[in-house]
Amino acid sequence: GAGVSQTPSNKVTEKGKYVELRCDPISGHTALYWYRQSLGQGPEFLIYFQGTGAADDSGLPNDRFFAVRPEGSVSTLKIQRTERGDSAVYLCASSLGTAVEETQYFGPGTRLLVL
Amino acid sequence: AQSVTQLDSHVSVSEGTPVLLRCNYSSSYSPSLFWYVQHPNKGLQLLLKYTSAATLVKGINGFEAEFKKSETSFHLTKPSAHMSDAAEYFCVVSDLDDYKLSFGAGTTVTVRA
Repeated sequence: GAGVSQTPSNKVTEKGKYVELRCDPISGHTALYWYRQSLGQGPEFLIYFQGTGAADDSGLPNDRFFAVRPEGSVSTLKIQRTERGDSAVYLCASSLGTAVEETQYFGPGTRLLVL
Repeated sequence: AQSVTQLDSHVSVSEGTPVLLRCNYSSSYSPSLFWYVQHPNKGLQLLLKYTSAATLVKGINGFEAEFKKSETSFHLTKPSAHMSDAAEYFCVVSDLDDYKLSFGAGTTVTVRA
């Protein structure tokens, strides 16, 4: 079946611009997660959705970052006034539920480059 | 708070020889531990996970890992490396019943013909 998909696969933008990154989770998965992977590091948790609501946004670095999931499926990560330090691979994952037995399935990521 | 340390940033092995990737963890509670693999331009894929059942965990593609509480380790092994094993490997921890995954910095595996 179809896995987690993310668009675009690559995004180049200029400092100060606004970007949106999209995640399509596996059908039927109620939990959705965003992670950020900087060069040479492991992914770091950003935000978690259960259904339509952001249950935990403690990993968002500052108020320039925002994410939505209005219908409980597709999610969009939004970054305002981008900075060069935002350059990273943004990963989305989904799972059936939030129990630790539920595997998180990851998408291929969106590689963001801020010039 | 939980964290993991991957002791090797890069491991190089010859095809057909054993692979050992080392991981130590720190967790306040009973941890769940995972190994994920990341091939270039592909999503992270779960290799195996430990969630307080058997301490020796078998995963996909011939990989296995052993949970050793006394050593706070969760090393990943494979008896015989294949060229297709060349990838980035991440050791991951979460506290029991916690959905947040904490990743190590990763170990790059190269396989020589």
